[in-house]
Amino acid sequence: GQNIDQPTEMTATEGAIVQINCTYQTSGFNGLFWYQQHAGEAPTFLSYNVLDGLEEKGRFSSFLSRSKGYSYLLLKELQMKDSASYLCAVRRAGGSYIPTFGRGTSLIVHP
Amino acid sequence: DGGITQSPKYLFRKEGQNVTLSCEQNLNHDAMYWYRQDPGQGLRLIYYSQIVNDFQKGDIAEGYSVSREKKESFPLTVTSAQKNPTAFYLCASTNVGTGGINEQFFGPGTRLTVL
Repeated sequence: GQNIDQPTEMTATEGAIVQINCTYQTSGFNGLFWYQQHAGEAPTFLSYNVLDGLEEKGRFSSFLSRSKGYSYLLLKELQMKDSASYLCAVRRAGGSYIPTFGRGTSLIVHP
Repeated sequence: DGGITQSPKYLFRKEGQNVTLSCEQNLNHDAMYWYRQDPGQGLRLIYYSQIVNDFQKGDIAEGYSVSREKKESFPLTVTSAQKNPTAFYLCASTNVGTGGINEQFFGPGTRLTVL
């Protein structure tokens, strides 16, 4: 089975940097995803890590440590539009391509 | 434009009625998924299908049924056996076996309210 933990809610100030952590326990690992979801809308893909290290994509970066079962999503130069829920999802090993989602972290960015 | 559509956006039904939620994709994806999202619960997998005419139960399949008669379509029926059907339902699709990331693409969701 899989167990994925991330904080329920975080707040940050516009222009600041925020780090959203995700820890997981899995019997098989085939990649970790981060999605962004605005209230009432569909999740949209942000990043993917399958090897250890940092993946940078504009203002967003994602880090993975497979030995520690740990990932984080780093958001720089926060904007008000970054207020959303951020979902960590771990894909199961094997050919099913099915990710298991954490409960999501609600990020509130204030002026 | 390629994408996934779900209809309707909002759906109201009386308790005891079956209801079918539609999901259509023109991304030529092989795999399709149905998730349920409740406040504070994240996304939970209901059913998935990796090929036409085949589908598998997810973690919370009881009270739901699906069909996959066409590659583009994966409708979900919420039956009267589902004890707590009020929720936000998300459909997703992905490529399989292409060597890429194979991230999921999501539809806009259907918010079902059972009165």
